Amino acid sequence: NAGVMQNPRHLVRRRGQEARLRCSPMKGHSHVYWYRQLPEEGLKFMVYLQKENIIDESGMPKERFSAEFPKEGPSILRIQQVVRGDSAAYFCASSPPGDPYEQYFGPGTRLTVT
Amino acid sequence: TQLLEQSPQFLSIQEGENLTVYCNSSSVFSSLQWYRQEPGEGPVLLVTVVTGGEVKKLKRLTFQFGDARKDSSLHITAAQPGDTGLYLCAGRSSGTYKYIFGTGTRLKVLA
Repeated sequence: NAGVMQNPRHLVRRRGQEARLRCSPMKGHSHVYWYRQLPEEGLKFMVYLQKENIIDESGMPKERFSAEFPKEGPSILRIQQVVRGDSAAYFCASSPPGDPYEQYFGPGTRLTVT
Repeated sequence: TQLLEQSPQFLSIQEGENLTVYCNSSSVFSSLQWYRQEPGEGPVLLVTVVTGGEVKKLKRLTFQFGDARKDSSLHITAAQPGDTGLYLCAGRSSGTYKYIFGTGTRLKVLA
């Protein structure tokens, strides 16, 4: 059973470009969390989604950031018009339908904005 | 704003020593998790504790949830170089799905 997959692992964008980060949950998992980790810091919650629904987006910046988890395909975290402060590691975690608190993390996408 | 403070921030010890790291908050959590994260990888779940006073053991690791469910500790016996990593605690409040992560303890075990 493959683990949580994220791609790309590394992403370089110039200021003003868009970044699209993908997360494929573990097979059978229907919940996805997105977190951001700045260097030498802990993880900050961004958003919690179920298939086709955003359940809690209280950690998402009000502008430029959006997330989706469609019925088919991976979850996408989209950052428009990136700025240098968006440089960070972005992790997703998935949970099975019976236990949304059991999080299995992916390897992360490291975003660098130049 | 809920905060989870971990101490110490950094810890460097010799192989075979024992150590304890702490996770403290002024908030009550319905569950608390401990993770270990290695450079370039995502966190790996070690344990989930849900009952005040609960103690769980995982080989040489002992986890305790405080009676008031505001704090937790992780004790490692006879540390090994393979224990090296960033240890994170994460707490979840009742009625919410999201976990608040602590500031982390970076452990280095020297051979």
